[in-house]
Amino acid sequence: GAVVSQHPSWVICKSGTSVKIECRSLDFQATTMFWYRQFPKQSLMLMATSNEGSKATYEQGVEKDKFLINHASLTLSTLTVTSAHPEDSSFYICSFFARDSYEQYFGPGTRLTVT
Amino acid sequence: DAKTTQPTSMDCAEGRAANLPCNHSTISGNEYVYWYRQIHSQGPQYIIHGLKNNETNEMASLIITEDRKSSTLILPHATLRDTAVYYCIVRVRQGGKLIFGQGTELSVKP
Repeated sequence: GAVVSQHPSWVICKSGTSVKIECRSLDFQATTMFWYRQFPKQSLMLMATSNEGSKATYEQGVEKDKFLINHASLTLSTLTVTSAHPEDSSFYICSFFARDSYEQYFGPGTRLTVT
Repeated sequence: DAKTTQPTSMDCAEGRAANLPCNHSTISGNEYVYWYRQIHSQGPQYIIHGLKNNETNEMASLIITEDRKSSTLILPHATLRDTAVYYCIVRVRQGGKLIFGQGTELSVKP
């Protein structure tokens, strides 16, 4: 199956700092990508959708100024959590929608802990 | 996107078939049924998808009822490594969002 990588796999940061999470599709080109977050014992929640070269569309209740998404190319997207607070601690998962197969593939996730 | 309902949890004995049901009574004609699973602290893994015909791959089989209002994912010989949360999702194939419900927590026991 298609491979999606995320970096870092886990990160601990202090409250008030910003953290960038990188997501790459390694063997396919993506038309659209998605960012999800998951709190303990809960399901994945879609945060935003973005197309290459376009601004991201955020789901209701997700602050666009806090979660900055850059979909720089067909294989790379970044999520920056700005001025992180402890309540932002979560498991963040990226996902690419492959342009050729119309299938959606997920990264392994990034565990963010804000102290 | 149409909603799905799944049992919260299920147990299965190792080596036996695991049959995971899903109801999607409001599915639209152009929506596919997708199954993903998530092993603890990992990203979701694609399992299988179908429109109206039954499908089989190396991981599982998908049985969709004729009226498409429900489906069953079958893991033919469950192993301990199949312990995970299984998500049934319906969406249009091109450009639809994958919206996750609560899924079914499958525990495969020795």
